[in-house]
Amino acid sequence: AQSVTQLGSHVSVSEGALVLLRCNYSSSVPPYLFWYVQYPNQGLQLLLKYTTGATLVKGINGFEAEFKKSETSFHLTKPSAHMSDAAEYFCAVGGSYIPTFGRGTSLIVHP
Amino acid sequence: NAGVTQTPKFQVLKTGQSMTLQCAQDMNHNSMYWYRQDPGMGLRLIYYSASEGTTDKGEVPNGYNVSRLNKREFSLRLESAAPSQTSVYFCASSEIRTHSYEQYFGPGTRLTVT
Repeated sequence: AQSVTQLGSHVSVSEGALVLLRCNYSSSVPPYLFWYVQYPNQGLQLLLKYTTGATLVKGINGFEAEFKKSETSFHLTKPSAHMSDAAEYFCAVGGSYIPTFGRGTSLIVHP
Repeated sequence: NAGVTQTPKFQVLKTGQSMTLQCAQDMNHNSMYWYRQDPGMGLRLIYYSASEGTTDKGEVPNGYNVSRLNKREFSLRLESAAPSQTSVYFCASSEIRTHSYEQYFGPGTRLTVT
């Protein structure tokens, strides 16, 4: 069984500030972990993924996430927010036919 | 490559009407999925097809049927639409055999049932 918890349905930051979106997971097998982004009126697209190996994963648009097994976490960060980062972000755990998605975190970026 | 395409993009139905949502992928993926997305509920899996010729229920299958027409196409049918089926529907595909597991999503169909 697997589950994903995203802490905070909304996160608000100022442009240029650090972005931190939190994700904790549970999985009975070594997890494959993903972050997806959904811009308004679009489908989800992959930001980054962790499978094996290096625990710090770099994705598109300057985002990165660190897999911490001891904390069962896969938090998403970006050093400096841009207005264009405003979107919905979904954490997911995979490794089988059916992935499990978190409920999403809406990132709001203020000028 | 077009990736995952969905038709129609928008649809308004009256209660009791039927319709089929179409999905096609050109990535030669074996697995395909239908999700619905509602505010505050995240993505919920309706049906999936692990490979051509197989379909299985997901979390919220009631009121829906699916057909895996061939490797490329996976359709979702609402036989008698209800207002509770007002939602945004996403089709996705994935290639499990290569242990990629990431999903590729279509642009969505926005359905309103009045």
